[in-house]
Amino acid sequence: GENVEQHPSTLSVQEGDSAVIKCTYSDSASNYFPWYKQELGKRPQLIIDIRSNVGEKKDQRIAVTLNKTAKHFSLHITETQPEDSAVYFCAASIRRAGFQKLVFGTGTRLLVSP
Amino acid sequence: EAGVTQFPSHSVIEKGQTVTLRCDPISGHDNLYWYRRVMGKEIKFLLHFVKESKQDESGMPNNRFLAERTGGTYSTLKVQPAELEDSGVYFCASSLQGYTEAFFGQGTRLTVV
Repeated sequence: GENVEQHPSTLSVQEGDSAVIKCTYSDSASNYFPWYKQELGKRPQLIIDIRSNVGEKKDQRIAVTLNKTAKHFSLHITETQPEDSAVYFCAASIRRAGFQKLVFGTGTRLLVSP
Repeated sequence: EAGVTQFPSHSVIEKGQTVTLRCDPISGHDNLYWYRRVMGKEIKFLLHFVKESKQDESGMPNNRFLAERTGGTYSTLKVQPAELEDSGVYFCASSLQGYTEAFFGQGTRLTVV
């Protein structure tokens, strides 16, 4: 079945530095890759996603890149701020009409120190 | 617009007891998903409803878990009898279509002692 590996499990950076989280997936049929951010005590929230027909997507300080050949995708956060501290989950999904099943990575705890 | 709501937020029960978790999806969302995160591990898919029908229940761990969505609105997930390894955070999510963004609830933290 589908498997998603995520690294690192924890990441500590200084405010203003960049942070990169990497994920690999196993099912070549996966076509949708969302990233969720879960702050302490809150619900996971979608922060950015990418579909398999795109190699890169950017939204202000966050960007996601996808390498379909290598089956890996990465989250890049630039100019990190303390409020970026959270657990980040990558996921891969095969999406077709009426069907969606997210397979998540194990999460990365990001700590941004002032 | 109200988000996905889950009840209770926390539950502590003894091994062998029964617990029922509830999820109210966003109004109008036909797709409802249950996920579980055991301490420090990935968020794992349990099952997917489309309206009141189970579209995919391949992630349900065993027959001690029973999910229902009568009437296609809210859903319940019952664990009977609960075991220690059932402890974790149970998330519910909903989406308008099967291929649109899934919105998550805050989760129910279940502790079996």
